[in-house]
Amino acid sequence: QVQLVESGGGVVQPGRSLRLSCAASGFTFRTYAMHWVRQAPGKGLEWVAVISDDGGNKYYAASVTGRFTISRDSSENTLYLQMNSLRPEDTAVYYCARGSSGTSYSPCDYWGQGTLVTVSS
Amino acid sequence: DIVMTQSPDSLAASLGERATINCKSSQSVLYSSNNKNHLVWYQQKPGQPPKVLIYWASTRESGVPDRFSGSGSGTDFTLTISSLQAEDVAVYYCQQYYSIPFTFGPGTKVDIK
Repeated sequence: QVQLVESGGGVVQPGRSLRLSCAASGFTFRTYAMHWVRQAPGKGLEWVAVISDDGGNKYYAASVTGRFTISRDSSENTLYLQMNSLRPEDTAVYYCARGSSGTSYSPCDYWGQGTLVTVSS
Repeated sequence: DIVMTQSPDSLAASLGERATINCKSSQSVLYSSNNKNHLVWYQQKPGQPPKVLIYWASTRESGVPDRFSGSGSGTDFTLTISSLQAEDVAVYYCQQYYSIPFTFGPGTKVDIK
């Protein structure tokens, strides 16, 4: 069965960096687009970024453009989110989610349990 | 950016009653090349990640009970729960995947009266 397991969250000071990972299993990772979606405590969902199946296309929300980088390693079946210059407003649970196809323009059909990132001094 | 709105913010209905959630996009999410609406509905229960219910605005995900249905086209969409069950207590979100950024609606909280 499809499994997505995020890791790498924690408490970090403003301005610092953090890298999230998402280990994927139960499907052919290299044939699906992958997304990051976040949810601030008690708030709604915010789409963050998507990467196409071959890694050739990457798109970001304006709020993270220039600070966050999405990447994937299909040899390791792992999705990454490198987060630089973190701000308190980046505090959220970060979910890794699978796109329903290889194209970036597909909905998320499987989600991980999420990893909490807290940006605070 | 496409702005997604939902109404109501919350609703409470009795067990077995019909519950209806509306979602509106600031521009059409109907893609002419495939004649499909790039609109998905998710259900999120407390402490859990979202779960996909309906995609392409009206296609039910495998395993989702048939009391959940989606309708609409262009800019106006509806999620209907035909007979509300206790396990349907959750927040429901619509999201468009027509254009970047893939924006979500603010969510509708559904409770039992």
